[in-house]
Amino acid sequence: RKEVEQDPGPFNVPEGATVAFNCTYSNSASQSFFWYRQDCRKEPKLLMSVYSSGNEDGRFTAQLNRASQYISLLIRDSKLSDSATYLCAVANSGGYQKVTFGTGTKLQVIP
Amino acid sequence: GAVVSQHPSRVICKSGTSVKIECRSLDFQATTMFWYRQFPKKSLMLMATSNEGSKATYEQGVEKDKFLINHASLTLSTLTVTSAHPEDSSFYICSANRGSTDTQYFGPGTRLTVL
Repeated sequence: RKEVEQDPGPFNVPEGATVAFNCTYSNSASQSFFWYRQDCRKEPKLLMSVYSSGNEDGRFTAQLNRASQYISLLIRDSKLSDSATYLCAVANSGGYQKVTFGTGTKLQVIP
Repeated sequence: GAVVSQHPSRVICKSGTSVKIECRSLDFQATTMFWYRQFPKKSLMLMATSNEGSKATYEQGVEKDKFLINHASLTLSTLTVTSAHPEDSSFYICSANRGSTDTQYFGPGTRLTVL
């Protein structure tokens, strides 16, 4: 089983739609969780960290379910500019520890 | 603004040559940096963890003599791809933790093409 798994997609959604991505992780000792966005041929950029209580940043909401070992990202009112690949990332402990990335989920928002 | 820089952004070289890629942390010290490789339409794969003042830690399956890492200062790590071959063509990305957090900030990446 992969350490971090994501549905590769692609998810093709119309503008204005709400789309949700899930990511599962295998290590129950994982401590820190993130969503990154990666545009084609560019480096990943941090979208948001994911906290146990869930967190929201504008149209983006991230949630963590420790019992089921998954994190989710919800994008409301999709924009064309949201088209990208979304990577989830998991770190096993605090400090300078290795972060493991999922393979990414590709989102294409269609006019 | 950018917190991690990489140079060069793109390099094309002949098979058998060596290529050095630099990764710099801007305005902060990074005792640890990470080197990733990403093939087209694939995920980021961690190659090694670069430790300032000590040897790098390589992931399983990554040849340490092929991918030489030097982290001689708190703001600079270099990756040298020795005797590059076409199968080494990839997108190489470095990252660093800023402050005492797990959040990794990535450099803009280096696209290597070996002819």
